[in-house]
Amino acid sequence: DTEVTQTPKHLVMGMTNKKSLKCEQHMGHRAMYWYKQKAKKPPELMFVYSYEKLSINESVPSRFSPECPNSSLLNLHLHALQPEDSALYLCASSQAGGFQDTQYFGPGTRLTVL
Amino acid sequence: EDKVVQSPLSLVVHEGDTVTLNCSYEVTNFRSLLWYKQEKKAPTFLFMLTSSGIEKKSGRLSSILDKKELFSILNITATQTGDSAIYLCASKIRGAGNMLTFGGGTRLMVKP
Repeated sequence: DTEVTQTPKHLVMGMTNKKSLKCEQHMGHRAMYWYKQKAKKPPELMFVYSYEKLSINESVPSRFSPECPNSSLLNLHLHALQPEDSALYLCASSQAGGFQDTQYFGPGTRLTVL
Repeated sequence: EDKVVQSPLSLVVHEGDTVTLNCSYEVTNFRSLLWYKQEKKAPTFLFMLTSSGIEKKSGRLSSILDKKELFSILNITATQTGDSAIYLCASKIRGAGNMLTFGGGTRLMVKP
């Protein structure tokens, strides 16, 4: 099973709303990632969690707040977003540290900020 | 600054053609080079290349890495319309949570 699941598939929110994106994997992976992908652009790394600890924050604005409640779950809490934050948000997971480590991506959440 | 560059940006071919996609990289602490195929949503993993000169093959797709010249190619033979997608390459660096730096992608369209 190489499946990473993400919910919701689509999300429309206003600039004053608070919402959360969820990501789940049951492959026993210990690293999880959030990426943001704008149209016709490659994914850009936002955050990396390794063994449930935030190891990388790529200078992401504080209106994006990640959370890793356990090794299988990764959340991204959204608050006071801007229209330019509209994008596809991808979650990925990997073994973490292994030489043959490969990142597997979820289907993404398509976010629209009005 | 780490950089991954893909060429061409886009490509239109007919079914049955063979295509070669290019990926060059300039990264510090290089570990491996990955290829992904992205259709409508999530990138799906194709290959991970770590050693130079060893071809990896999966059906009609194959890929090879040249660590001296810092590039990789992805070949697709006998293309089909289902191969239409964006092909992304990404470099992975040692440590740093196995970060991936993606290239801009090559958009491949295969016409019947």
